[in-house]
Amino acid sequence: AQSVTQLDSHVSVSEGTPVLLRCNYSSSYSPSLFWYVQHPNKGLQLLLKYTSAATLVKGINGFEAEFKKSETSFHLTKPSAHMSDAAEYFCVVRTSNTGKLIFGQGTTLQVKP
Amino acid sequence: EAQVTQNPRYLITVTGKKLTVTCSQNMNHEYMSWYRQDPGLGLRQIYYSMNVEVTDKGDVPEGYKVSRKEKRNFPLILESPSPNQTSLYFCASSYRGGFGTDTQYFGPGTRLTVL
Repeated sequence: AQSVTQLDSHVSVSEGTPVLLRCNYSSSYSPSLFWYVQHPNKGLQLLLKYTSAATLVKGINGFEAEFKKSETSFHLTKPSAHMSDAAEYFCVVRTSNTGKLIFGQGTTLQVKP
Repeated sequence: EAQVTQNPRYLITVTGKKLTVTCSQNMNHEYMSWYRQDPGLGLRQIYYSMNVEVTDKGDVPEGYKVSRKEKRNFPLILESPSPNQTSLYFCASSYRGGFGTDTQYFGPGTRLTVL
């Protein structure tokens, strides 16, 4: 069975400092992995996805994620946080046969001035 | 503009009064799906559809119905809503659904309150 665990429910950083949102996954085969962002009262927007072409994946708004098979991790990073990054972030794994997305519980990112 | 639309965006209703939440996409996607979002639980899949007239249950289908008579529409039906169905609902679509890294696009969400 596939699952995903976001290790922090809440992360608080100061503007201009690095962001690290942690995600571990469980999958019996090579997974499809995604990060989505949800701003307050908004829908979900795709930040980036792992395609197996490269382990370091670049997304929108300066975010990156590194796929580490040995650690079963797909952590999301950004070198310098902006106030506009404050949102909820979801790490997602997808089953290959039904297309179902399995969401982590979400990490709320707070950015302080 | 490529998009997934949902209506209504907000709905307050009473227990037992049938309701339908509509979902429509203009990207000619084969795959469509409904999720509900509850605090601390992330999003959970209710139903999905691989193509017209092909639907199947997700993880939390109890109390919901769906239909897929046309490619672009995938309505969610609550025949007899109950308070435990109070939630934020998202519709999503993608080109093929189950293959590779096909991206799912989400609608803006429908916030449902059942009193």
